[in-house]
Amino acid sequence: EAGVTQFPSHSVIEKGQTVTLRCDPISGHDNLYWYRRVMGKEIKFLLHFVKESKQDESGMPNNRFLAERTGGTYSTLKVQPAELEDSGVYFCASSQGTTEQFFGPGTRLTVL
Amino acid sequence: GQSLEQPSEVTAVEGAIVQINCTYQTSGFYGLSWYQQHDGGAPTFLSYNALDGLEETGRFSSFLSRSDSYGYLLLQELQMKDSASYFCAPSGSARQLTFGSGTQLTVLP
Repeated sequence: EAGVTQFPSHSVIEKGQTVTLRCDPISGHDNLYWYRRVMGKEIKFLLHFVKESKQDESGMPNNRFLAERTGGTYSTLKVQPAELEDSGVYFCASSQGTTEQFFGPGTRLTVL
Repeated sequence: GQSLEQPSEVTAVEGAIVQINCTYQTSGFYGLSWYQQHDGGAPTFLSYNALDGLEETGRFSSFLSRSDSYGYLLLQELQMKDSASYFCAPSGSARQLTFGSGTQLTVLP
């Protein structure tokens, strides 16, 4: 069974540009989560999808971040326009039940 | 507010037993998870406690006391590959995880 995959693994962009991160959850997992770890800080929750619906987006830092999960399969997280403080590692996780979340390898975003 | 406390570093030798304690304060608590992370890679699920008591999974066990807002992860028969960061992560009603700074475990030969 394939795990959670994320693309790209690394992204380097300039301030003001747009970046779109993609997450493919484990097949059949209804729950999809986005987290991020900015430099020197803890991993922070961003938002939670149940199928295609946003269940909780209380962790989204501001309206420059837009997450979608069309069709309840893969999800994208767009940052537009990117700022320096957006640099960090963005993790996606999926789960079917309410306990174990399976994390992807993360996307390392660097904003110059 | 929310708070999460666990030791920043623990060192032990191969074959030993180590306990990583965690105290938390969070609203809408549902359960406590433990994750392992090697070198900033993907966090890997270890254990979950929703009820008081001990959960055992191979060499790893986890304990929860909801009344004390306290839990611990017990690692037995330590191996070199267990050197990693360990996070206790309370989850809320939407099952989102709250991560703290984690505990860096170093296993010495």
